[in-house]
Amino acid sequence: DTAVSQTPKYLVTQMGNDKSIKCEQNLGHDTMYWYKQDSKKFLKIMFSYNNKELIINETVPNRFSPKSPDKAHLNLHINSLELGDSAVYFCASSKRQGDYGYTFGSGTRLTVV
Amino acid sequence: GDSVTQMEGPVTLSEEAFLTINCTYTATGYPSLFWYVQYPGEGLQLLLKATKADDKGSNKGFEATYRKETTSFHLEKGSVQVSDSAVYFCALNSGGYQKVTFGIGTKLQVIP
Repeated sequence: DTAVSQTPKYLVTQMGNDKSIKCEQNLGHDTMYWYKQDSKKFLKIMFSYNNKELIINETVPNRFSPKSPDKAHLNLHINSLELGDSAVYFCASSKRQGDYGYTFGSGTRLTVV
Repeated sequence: GDSVTQMEGPVTLSEEAFLTINCTYTATGYPSLFWYVQYPGEGLQLLLKATKADDKGSNKGFEATYRKETTSFHLEKGSVQVSDSAVYFCALNSGGYQKVTFGIGTKLQVIP
């Protein structure tokens, strides 16, 4: 199926751990994004890559580091996890810079305990 | 900077009622406007979009018209169903390498 797929769907981990979330799209899109959705459903962009180049880097802690090995993949690594990092993280892709709308993954629910 | 204001929910309607969810925006230039829907436990799905003034986006019985004079993009549906219960996000993109800016989301609950 053509889609944006992210893994894992659920992630429960202890404070201080390091974890990664993976995202892959097979839509042939050039641009990929990471968004964070808090408990009130507010969506905040974190990063955007266009053809493996970082183009949006919002004010997020240095503990968050994206990596795009190719234009179909965008991974998110988080160091030294904190309680406040608990949220749902969405990967998305678009043909261009959002003009055509995003295709979202189903989300990764991260719970830090 | 760009911003999107939409009504806070939750909005509770009976089945077959008329739906309006208001959305207004502030942006530079001529943004593209979107409505996304998020069903429980899922990611957001693009519901409809409009890319220029007076365009009407429509999908699954939902409609929204790009009103430049009032900087609005209100979502409407003539007769809602229980399956429409979800969170609806208004969003805009100012073009180029600008990010898409989302509103806070409006939760819709439709009761039988």
